[in-house]
Amino acid sequence: KQEVTQIPAALSVPEGENLVLNCSFTDSAIYNLQWFRQDPGKGLTSLLLIQSSQREQTSGRLNASLDKSSGRSTLYIAASQPGDSATYLCAVLNAGNMLTFGGGTRLMVKP
Amino acid sequence: SQTIHQWPATLVQPVGSPLSLECTVEGTSNPNLYWYRQAAGRGLQLLFYSVGIGQISSEVPQNLSASRPQDRQFILSSKKLLLSDSGFYLCAWSVRGLNTEAFFGQGTRLTVV
Repeated sequence: KQEVTQIPAALSVPEGENLVLNCSFTDSAIYNLQWFRQDPGKGLTSLLLIQSSQREQTSGRLNASLDKSSGRSTLYIAASQPGDSATYLCAVLNAGNMLTFGGGTRLMVKP
Repeated sequence: SQTIHQWPATLVQPVGSPLSLECTVEGTSNPNLYWYRQAAGRGLQLLFYSVGIGQISSEVPQNLSASRPQDRQFILSSKKLLLSDSGFYLCAWSVRGLNTEAFFGQGTRLTVV
C-alpha cells in the first residue's frame, strides 16, 4: 500500500526566504506526482504535475523535482511572500487512477 | 475550459438525517471522478472513484455511497449520518487515462450535530 509522508508538518519563515518542502513515498511505481496548494477552508489548487519520466517542473517561483527511484520529491519556493502562506500537499498517482496524499506542510510566511 | 462545481459549500445536518452532495464537471467528457474526505487534522482520504456512468469503486467501508447518474455528475449520499461523517468533502476529476492531472472542487464543509 502506498504511503506518502511530508516533512516538515509546519514551517514558519520570514518573507524573502527560499524554502524547500519534502515529500516521500514508499512505492516507486507511480505514474505521476502532483503538488497542490490548499488555503484554509478551500479546495485544492494544482501547482505542478511531474510525470514519472520527468525529473522536474517549474512554474514561476516554484520548482518541483522528482527522484522516483528513491521515492522523493521536493517543492522549492523562491523568494517567499506572505501570499504563499497555505498548506502544501503532494500526491502520487498509482495504478487504478488513485491519488494518495501526504499529510501536508502548513506554511506561514511572515511579512 | 473545464470547471468543477460542488454544492453546497457548507452544511449542518443532525445525526440520522440523509445526505446528498453533488458535483458536476463542465467542459470535458468521460472524466474520472473522485470523492475525497478531509477530516480535521488528517490527510485526504479517497472515498469513491468512478471511471464511467454507473461504475463506482469504493475504497473504504463507511456509511456513505456514491452514484454517477450522468457522465459529468457525481453524487455522494448517506441514508443516516453519523457524527463521524463530519469533515470536508472534496470532489475531483481527471481526464480519462493515465498520467493525467487531477483538479478539485471548492469542497463542502459538513458538520453533523
